[in-house]
Amino acid sequence: GQNIDQPTEMTATEGAIVQINCTYQTSGFNGLFWYQQHAGEAPTFLSYNVLDGLEEKGRFSSFLSRSKGYSYLLLKELQMKDSASYLCAVRDQDYKLSFGAGTTVTVRA
Amino acid sequence: IAGITQAPTSQILAAGRRMTLRCTQDMRHNAMYWYRQDLGLGLRLIHYSNTAGTTGKGEVPDGYSVSRANTDDFPLTLASAVPSQTSVYFCASSPLAGGYNEQFFGPGTRLTVL
Repeated sequence: GQNIDQPTEMTATEGAIVQINCTYQTSGFNGLFWYQQHAGEAPTFLSYNVLDGLEEKGRFSSFLSRSKGYSYLLLKELQMKDSASYLCAVRDQDYKLSFGAGTTVTVRA
Repeated sequence: IAGITQAPTSQILAAGRRMTLRCTQDMRHNAMYWYRQDLGLGLRLIHYSNTAGTTGKGEVPDGYSVSRANTDDFPLTLASAVPSQTSVYFCASSPLAGGYNEQFFGPGTRLTVL
């Protein structure tokens, strides 16, 4: 099974950078995903890492270290619309996803 | 293109009643999933299907059953609802179970069991 930890809440100012950390313990690793979920809506895909290193996608970047069981999601040039919950999810060898409880990011003006 | 649809949007159900949550996708995705989302616990996998005709148990399968008779539909049935099954239920699909294939989520069904 998977044990996935991420902070519950983070607050940052518009235009700033925020880093959301995710640590995991897994019996079999087959990729790590980050999803964004606005209140009352469905999760939407942000990024995928399966090899060590940084994946950059516009204002969002995601990093993975498999040896450390660690990932982070970096949100740059924060905008008010980035206020949402960010979910870290680990896929196992049977292709099932396990999600962390999510990190609620609040962007202040 | 509708993507993934779920029905109903919300439902209030008496304990002990049988309920089927519907999920349909028109993207011809092979893999489909059912999750429940509870405050503070995140999304938890109930059942999954990697391809039509096959199903598997997730993290919290007790009290739920699924079927996958065709590619498009993946209904979730609560045989005898209990208050602890009050939750938001999300259906998701993916082109394939593995590889660089993210899951696409439906809009969710908010279920209250009294």
